[in-house]
Order: sequence, then C-alpha cells, then structure tokens
Amino acid sequence: AQKITQTQPGMFVQEKEAVTLDCTYDTSDPSYGLFWYKQPSSGEMIFLIYQGSYDQQNATEGRYSLNFQKARKSANLVISASQLGDSAMYFCAMREAGSVSGYALNFGKGTSLLVTP
Amino acid sequence: GAVVSQHPSRVICKSGTSVKIECRSLDFQATTMFWYRQFPKQSLMLMATSNEGSKATYEQGVEKDKFLINHASLTLSTLTVTSAHPEDSSFYICSLDRNGQGEAFFGQGTRLTVV
Repeated sequence: AQKITQTQPGMFVQEKEAVTLDCTYDTSDPSYGLFWYKQPSSGEMIFLIYQGSYDQQNATEGRYSLNFQKARKSANLVISASQLGDSAMYFCAMREAGSVSGYALNFGKGTSLLVTP
Repeated sequence: GAVVSQHPSRVICKSGTSVKIECRSLDFQATTMFWYRQFPKQSLMLMATSNEGSKATYEQGVEKDKFLINHASLTLSTLTVTSAHPEDSSFYICSLDRNGQGEAFFGQGTRLTVV
C-alpha cells in the first residue's frame, strides 16, 4: 500500500501567489517524521521543511509552511509568494521510527510545480 | 555547506562494464547510508541500506549481486553497478541522517547512462 500519496501530478501558480501542495500519509507508527523536498531539473534534493509527529505546532521555514493535520494524516506544503525559481518537482516523504528499513524515507510520486509570470 | 558528497555526478558507460559511485559523509560519522534510484519522471525508491562494517540490506526486487554496496568506513559508502545494461540507466542518489533526527541529507546524485 502506498504510504505517501500526492494526488496532484502537476500544479500551476502565478508568480507572487500562494500555492498548496497536497500530501497524505499512512502509518500506524506513533513516531514518524514528515518531509518536503524540492527537486529541480538538476536532480539534487533540496530540503524544505520537516514536521515531527509529536510536534505541536506546524513547521515553518521562510516562505514554506507545513499544514499538519494529524487526525487526517495530512501534511500539505504551503508556499507563499511564489517565485519563478520555485518551479520544480516537490516530493513529500515520511520516516517511520519503527520501519524495517531503518531511517530511510518513503517518498510520494511528486508534484510538478510551474510558476508562471 | 554540503554534508554529503557524491561522485561522479554523471557517467556514461558501455553495456557490460561496471560503474562505481561514491558517497561521502563530510560532516559526521555515518554508520548507515541509504541508496535510492529514480527513473525518469518517477519517485525515489529505496534500493538498499548501507551499514558500516557489515552487509548491506537490500529492498525486495533489488539484485544484491548486481548492485554491490561497500561501507568500509564511517564516511564512505560505494555503490557498484556491475555488468551494467541499458535498463540500469537511472538517477542514483545516496542519503544519510543523524540517527533519525530531523533533516535527511542527500548527495548530489549520479545520472547513469548505459549505452
């Protein structure tokens, strides 16, 4: 079963507007971490934001914020004031403390974001 | 600065040859490193977990004799694609973290093309 679901294969947003990228997850582990990474065409994985399952407040990092709704198992990424340089693939990922793969990340299929002028 | 250094960033090799990819931890000693593979327009899939001083743990469907992993020191893990074929052409990327806390760090990735 898919552990991370990103339902938006592609998204468009106009420059300076805000955009929300959806992510839902599936786990029975009480201890887990949720990540968002940006992958430009070069392939590098750029860390954006992290949310621990026990964190009380939603994570924020500059223009990025994570809308963490634990009961709904949802961890949407909000990018405010979009910039042309934000155009890239965005991956949601999860790390489960009790995973048989240790601390490896489980990735969603990604969302391709295009920021238009 | 970079925490993980991965080389080479890009390699083209002939079918049947072997290719070695290095992943170095620059900032701390890593007892565990992860190797992922990403086919075009797809997600990252875990191939194997590299354990310092012991055998790697491979995910289901990944041939351990084809993808040799060596983690001989706390700062270096290598992935060797043996007898590469065109279907092995992919983006390979390594990762490590600080004992499951916070950010997971990735190398720059290696784009392998087998011709």
